[in-house]
Amino acid sequence: EAGVAQSPRYKIIEKRQSVAFWCNPISGHATLYWYQQILGQGPKLLIQFQNNGVVDDSQLPKDRFSAERLKGVDSTLKIQPAKLEDSAVYLCASTLLPGLAGDEQFFGPGTRLTVL
Amino acid sequence: GENVEQHPSTLSVQEGDSAVIKCTYSDSASNYFPWYKQELGKRPQLIIDIRSNVGEKKDQRIAVTLNKTAKHFSLHITETQPEDSAVYFCAASPPGGVQFYFGTGTSLTVIP
Repeated sequence: EAGVAQSPRYKIIEKRQSVAFWCNPISGHATLYWYQQILGQGPKLLIQFQNNGVVDDSQLPKDRFSAERLKGVDSTLKIQPAKLEDSAVYLCASTLLPGLAGDEQFFGPGTRLTVL
Repeated sequence: GENVEQHPSTLSVQEGDSAVIKCTYSDSASNYFPWYKQELGKRPQLIIDIRSNVGEKKDQRIAVTLNKTAKHFSLHITETQPEDSAVYFCAASPPGGVQFYFGTGTSLTVIP
């Protein structure tokens, strides 16, 4: 069954290194989200795209995190340089219709990042 | 912005008993409230949702109730089974932005 795809599934890096995550949402889904889920906590929104435009990046640590969705389809999230506190699962999610409240959100399997 | 609080953080019940998880929200304009189940190492999956024009919704052993006046909503699981063991997250979504604000999660353990 086609769903939200993410890669890699796991990544271990040293602090101060760089890392990039990739997400391919469900075909046709206009809105894409990146969440950070620290162990024992709920997902925290990092950035939200609608097509290729940024809707909300207020909680993205812009000094080290960046994200893009150039063609309005797949997206990459980058951390440079990584800190120990960045260890978390990074979840990508998508919804079908832009601007429609109550649209079901589909999650990818996540990328588990460990920063040593 | 919206703030969602979720209680309890952990919950253990005997198989066959009921489990109730409660969430409160701060933005009275929020009008969509999904509940997600996340098994260990897996992605969150939607199990039930409710919109603000409805007070209660039921799907087999799972029900959600919404009190808009008090700004709280609850997940009810009846006749719990070991496979219900997971972390459950509530979320609230204000209108227009398709944004989701998550609670901190409840780790449910069903003891056989």
